[in-house]
Amino acid sequence: DAGVIQSPRHEVTEMGQEVTLRCKPISGHNSLFWYRQTMMRGLELLIYFNNNVPIDDSGMPEDRFSAKMPNASFSTLKIQPSEPRDSAVYFCASSFGRAPQETQYFGPGTRLLVL
Amino acid sequence: AQKVTQAQTEISVVEKEDVTLDCVYETRDTTYYLFWYKQPPSGELVFLIRRNSFDEQNEISGRYSWNFQKSTSSFNFTITASQVVDSAVYFCALRETSGSRLTFGEGTQLTVNP
Repeated sequence: DAGVIQSPRHEVTEMGQEVTLRCKPISGHNSLFWYRQTMMRGLELLIYFNNNVPIDDSGMPEDRFSAKMPNASFSTLKIQPSEPRDSAVYFCASSFGRAPQETQYFGPGTRLLVL
Repeated sequence: AQKVTQAQTEISVVEKEDVTLDCVYETRDTTYYLFWYKQPPSGELVFLIRRNSFDEQNEISGRYSWNFQKSTSSFNFTITASQVVDSAVYFCALRETSGSRLTFGEGTQLTVNP
């Protein structure tokens, strides 16, 4: 079975450009999470969807960040305009079942570098 | 507020040594879940184990074992007879009943030398 799929795996862009990260959760999973990993802040949750509905977006840094989940098999995280401090690894994770006991399975991550 | 502390930033051992990674957590909830994830050099996060707050039985899976002690709020991870392939960053994480997020520790970089 395929795990969580993320694209692109690597992204290099210039400051001010729009960046779109994509995620396909594991089939049948009903929750999807976007995390960001940096050296300074470690792993932090950005936003959490349950049944395609955003439940907790308190971790979204600012208005430049937006996330959508138009259907159960696809989500995007968009940064517009991007800034150098957005450089990080962005992980998507999915899970099935009820919080908090369900296990989150992570994708391979997207390494974003904003110049 | 929930918090996870992994006091060991880096550990270096020689192959076949046993190594224990410490994890201490803080929570006000009586029901919560604890997790360990492995992040190898390739970068992905690999789920290792989940444990709920009502189950204090230790668990063993091959060379891996976990010791959960509610009295000390600890959930330590031991690798027996370590191998070079165990080299990775290991994260401990906590999820409370009242919240939706996994709170991760800072991670422990384990290096197993041949």
